[in-house]
Amino acid sequence: ETGVTQTPRHLVMGMTNKKSLKCEQHLGHNAMYWYKQSAKKPLELMFVYNFKEQTENNSVPSRFSPECPNSSHLFLHLHTLQPEDSALYLCASSQVGQRETQYFGPGTRLLVL
Amino acid sequence: QKEVEQDPGPLSVPEGAIVSLNCTYSNSAFQYFMWYRQYSRKGPELLMYTYSSGNKEDGRFTAQVDKSSKYISLFIRDSQPSDSATYLCAMSAQGNEKLTFGTGTRLTIIP
Repeated sequence: ETGVTQTPRHLVMGMTNKKSLKCEQHLGHNAMYWYKQSAKKPLELMFVYNFKEQTENNSVPSRFSPECPNSSHLFLHLHTLQPEDSALYLCASSQVGQRETQYFGPGTRLLVL
Repeated sequence: QKEVEQDPGPLSVPEGAIVSLNCTYSNSAFQYFMWYRQYSRKGPELLMYTYSSGNKEDGRFTAQVDKSSKYISLFIRDSQPSDSATYLCAMSAQGNEKLTFGTGTRLTIIP
């Protein structure tokens, strides 16, 4: 595997379900990010982890819970989501301090029913 | 007013044409300017990265920054069907890692 991988690629869940998104980077980076991409809206940065420590949480609702066990892996735990949370969730990585040159994964397309 | 404005398109041009994609911004502190290309069902990939004003060329792609007008452009020469994608501009200020993205322009190159 190369670059940034994300699983699953597609996810359909009900509002009462609990699911997790997984991201893995194979680039030797030490910063990882979660973004939300909705139609006709700019990319929204959700969380930032530097050296596996959370450094940014951009007012994300608590129904989204990130976890970064090491610099290569990032999870996004989902519970009691709302239909408006349906979007493409993108993971990215970079070297710390080099956010301009971050690499994105292919994303998880999430549909909340 | 949004910090970054980008025409969502869609934009359709014939193969071989020169394509011009643009973003305007309001924050004069922005110093770093990026263009990402996003194919359908894929994540964005960094195409061009420029610092401050001026032009930068990479093959068929030229990125141009006009800080006095708060206007950035991406030119694609000899456009190919494989250039069909959504193009996102992004920018950030010196000493501030936050990237501010445009909404993206959807481009289709017609064979």
